[in-house]
Amino acid sequence: EVVMTQSPSTLSVSPGERATLSCRASQSVRSDLAWYQQKPGQAPRLLIYGASTRATGLPARFSGAGSGTQFSLTISSLQSEDFAVYFCQQYNHWPLTFGGGTKVEIK
Amino acid sequence: EVQLVESGGGLVQPGESLRLSCAGSGFIFSDYAIHWVRQAPGKGLEYVSGISSNGGSTYYGDSARGRFTISRDNSKNELYLQMGTLRAEDTAVYYCARDSGGLRWYYYFDSWGQGALVTVST
Repeated sequence: EVVMTQSPSTLSVSPGERATLSCRASQSVRSDLAWYQQKPGQAPRLLIYGASTRATGLPARFSGAGSGTQFSLTISSLQSEDFAVYFCQQYNHWPLTFGGGTKVEIK
Repeated sequence: EVQLVESGGGLVQPGESLRLSCAGSGFIFSDYAIHWVRQAPGKGLEYVSGISSNGGSTYYGDSARGRFTISRDNSKNELYLQMGTLRAEDTAVYYCARDSGGLRWYYYFDSWGQGALVTVST
């Protein structure tokens, strides 16, 4: 099983600041990496797939990068609606696996 | 608008069975693979199972294999998860999620339901 490790577990950021979240795979997943956002009491929402392709309607302040085992999600200027938990997911190997999540909270 | 609505959750005792349903609307249900993903309280996401658009292919995560069965009825636009021999560690919110690939499997999920809570406890 491919283990996905996200860091940090919690990121405290002020509105308007930049946030960078990391996701590491225990073996190469090529570019088969997705990012999701989850707010309290809500279902996850697809943000990024193919490591760097934004989902339909996603604001340009969200960007994904990386390949192989190291990935990142950057939010260039945090808005109030961006404070949430973010999960990465690899889909290159079975079983599909998710990272443990990074909570982005207001500083 | 794409909608997925889960139902059938509830409280069951260890060893019992439960069937979850997921009703899809706002898209051509029979054109998409659909998956189940679960989330234990306060925890991360765990892949449970997936089924191809025509029901001919299925996948299971390690925790589901041998105990859970996924199926679908495209005439009713519904997906099911039959869960057997439930354990306390199966306690979670179960989401159904649409595969982004349409008739192909892409293995990431572009639409999710709101989830159904399953609690396994005495």
